[in-house]
Amino acid sequence: KAGVTQTPRYLIKTRGQQVTLSCSPISGHRSVSWYQQTPGQGLQFLFEYFSETQRNKGNFPGRFSGRQFSNSRSEMNVSTLELGDSALYLCASSFGSSLTDTQYFGPGTRLTVL
Amino acid sequence: KQEVTQIPAALSVPEGENLVLNCSFTDSAIYNLQWFRQDPGKGLTSLLLIQSSQREQTSGRLNASLDKSSGRSTLYIAASQPGDSATYLCALRGYKYIFGTGTRLKVLA
Repeated sequence: KAGVTQTPRYLIKTRGQQVTLSCSPISGHRSVSWYQQTPGQGLQFLFEYFSETQRNKGNFPGRFSGRQFSNSRSEMNVSTLELGDSALYLCASSFGSSLTDTQYFGPGTRLTVL
Repeated sequence: KQEVTQIPAALSVPEGENLVLNCSFTDSAIYNLQWFRQDPGKGLTSLLLIQSSQREQTSGRLNASLDKSSGRSTLYIAASQPGDSATYLCALRGYKYIFGTGTRLKVLA
C-alpha cells in the first residue's frame, strides 16, 4: 500500500506570493492533518480535515487555509507569503478522526520564501 | 496549556550502548502518546504508540513506557546502532498532536 505522498517536495517562492501544497493520503484514509515544522517553533498543528470538513484548526493566521476533496486528497494554501513561512510542511493521514487513530506522515514539502 | 519537553536535546553515544530518551508533559489528560523518528529533511516515522490505558509498548530493540501520573514517557533503545541516528520526537494526542522538542541522537560506529 502506498504511503502518504506530498507534492511538490521542494518549493521556492518570494515574499508576497501564494503557494499551494498537495497531499494524497493512504488509500482508504479519510482524515488529513497538516503540520508546520521550523527550527524555532518545532512541529505545530495547522488543521485537520475529515470527509471534506475542517475538524480542527491550530493557531495560525488566516493566510493559511486548506481544503479536502471527495477523494480525501487535501491541499494547503498560504497567501501573501512571509519569510517566516519558510518551513517543512508535513501532511499526515489516518483512517478516521478518532483520537486513537494512528497518523501516518508524508515526507513533507520544503518551502523556502526569499 | 500542554507543554512537552524532551531531555536531552542531543545525545552522542558509541555503538552498542543502551540508552534512554525522556519525554515530560504537563497535562496528564492525554489519549495516547506516540514516539516518532525523523531523519534529516524527511518526514516522521512512527515507532511506538502507547494508548492512555497502557503502560508500555515494545517493538524489537525499542521499548516505550508511559506514566501519566508523573507526566513522563521514556523510550529505551537497546544495543544502539549507527542506523539509529536521527531525531526522536514524542507526541501527545489530544484532538491534535502536540510534539516535544526532540532529541537528536548520534550513534558512533
